[in-house]
Amino acid sequence: DAGVTQSPTHLIKTRGQQVTLRCSPKSGHDTVSWYQQALGQGPQFIFQYYEEEERQRGNFPDRFSGHQFPNYSSELNVNALLLGDSALYLCASSSRIRGPSGNTIYFGEGSWLTVV
Amino acid sequence: AQSVTQLDSQVPVFEEAPVELRCNYSSSVSVYLFWYVQYPNQGLQLLLKYLSGSTLVKGINGFEAEFNKSQTSFHLRKPSVHISDTAEYFCAVSDLNQGGKLIFGQGTELSVKP
Repeated sequence: DAGVTQSPTHLIKTRGQQVTLRCSPKSGHDTVSWYQQALGQGPQFIFQYYEEEERQRGNFPDRFSGHQFPNYSSELNVNALLLGDSALYLCASSSRIRGPSGNTIYFGEGSWLTVV
Repeated sequence: AQSVTQLDSQVPVFEEAPVELRCNYSSSVSVYLFWYVQYPNQGLQLLLKYLSGSTLVKGINGFEAEFNKSQTSFHLRKPSVHISDTAEYFCAVSDLNQGGKLIFGQGTELSVKP
């Protein structure tokens, strides 16, 4: 049973460019959340997708957008990259059907984004 | 709004010594509490979670944590640490109604020395 998989693992972009990160949730999970972890910081919630719609959003600008596909996989898009967007981007999957009491949130290994 | 404070940014300890990593949270509603571990250049792995019931929660790798509602704390403990426990540890809180959104603390770097 594959866990949460993310791609790419590392990438380097130039300021002003756009980036797309991808995530496949754990088998049986239908909800995907994205987090940004800057160096030396705890992860910060970007947004969450369920049933192909954005359900919750953290304090991130509109440059950060996402998408969820019918197979529950998800993409995170960041436009007009800034140096400050350099971070580890983590994808987390969970199941709404099981409810919070029986749920465990699983994280992927993350995508390291460096903006130069 | 919820928040999590991890009181120590770095905790150095010798191998086989006990350790406690402290976590306090702030919330106006009932919450779930979690501890995650992050090894270098890896994602987050769940150590343990408190949802309800017994306030003493046992997790993987010999770790345990105690939920104290009156002090709004969820401290992580291990009676005897190993070199392999060297990692970053994150405390997190989730509102029961937030559908899995986690609020993390800043992390505590545990460094186990021989």
